[in-house]
Amino acid sequence: GENVEQHPSTLSVQEGDSAVIKCTYSDSASNYFPWYKQELGKGPQLIIDIRSNVGEKKDQRIAVTLNKTAKHFSLHITETQPEDSAVYFCAASRAGGSYIPTFGRGTSLIVHP
Amino acid sequence: DGGITQSPKYLFRKEGQNVTLSCEQNLNHDAMYWYRQDPGQGLRLIYYSQIVNDFQKGDIAEGYSVSREKKESFPLTVTSAQKNPTAFYLCASSIGGATNGYTFGSGTRLTVV
Repeated sequence: GENVEQHPSTLSVQEGDSAVIKCTYSDSASNYFPWYKQELGKGPQLIIDIRSNVGEKKDQRIAVTLNKTAKHFSLHITETQPEDSAVYFCAASRAGGSYIPTFGRGTSLIVHP
Repeated sequence: DGGITQSPKYLFRKEGQNVTLSCEQNLNHDAMYWYRQDPGQGLRLIYYSQIVNDFQKGDIAEGYSVSREKKESFPLTVTSAQKNPTAFYLCASSIGGATNGYTFGSGTRLTVV
């Protein structure tokens, strides 16, 4: 089955800096890679996703890049703000049957004002 | 507004009791999921349902039961057989298929007293 590794587990940055979270996956058939943000005491929220026919996707201060050859994808947050502080989860999945996405174990991002 | 609602937000269970966590969605999503979240453990899949009147065990189904009698509802029962039920429980829904993002509820925190 699919295995998703997420690094780092904790990331501490100063406000205004950039933050990068990286995930690697094992199943070359995976073709959908969402990222979720979970604020304290709340459920995760989908913030951006990318499909395997695209190498990069941007939405304001966040972007996701995908390297299919190396089987890794990354979340980039620029000009970080204190409200970006949260736990971020990556996931990998593919179409077909009863396939269920595999989640990474999460990265706790702390943005210091 | 469409969304997914979990209730209650906090739940306390005595030893030996069964408790039921509610999950309702009005997004017209076919698939629904239950995850358990423990500190540092990420998201672990308990049960999922891709269609009414059908559901499948996830990675940690022992001690839990579900039903899917209506498209909108996917309640989770934590039985007395679950020896360590204290956790944060998340319900999610999706259009269906593994290549669409999840919408998560806000979670239920269950504590054994």
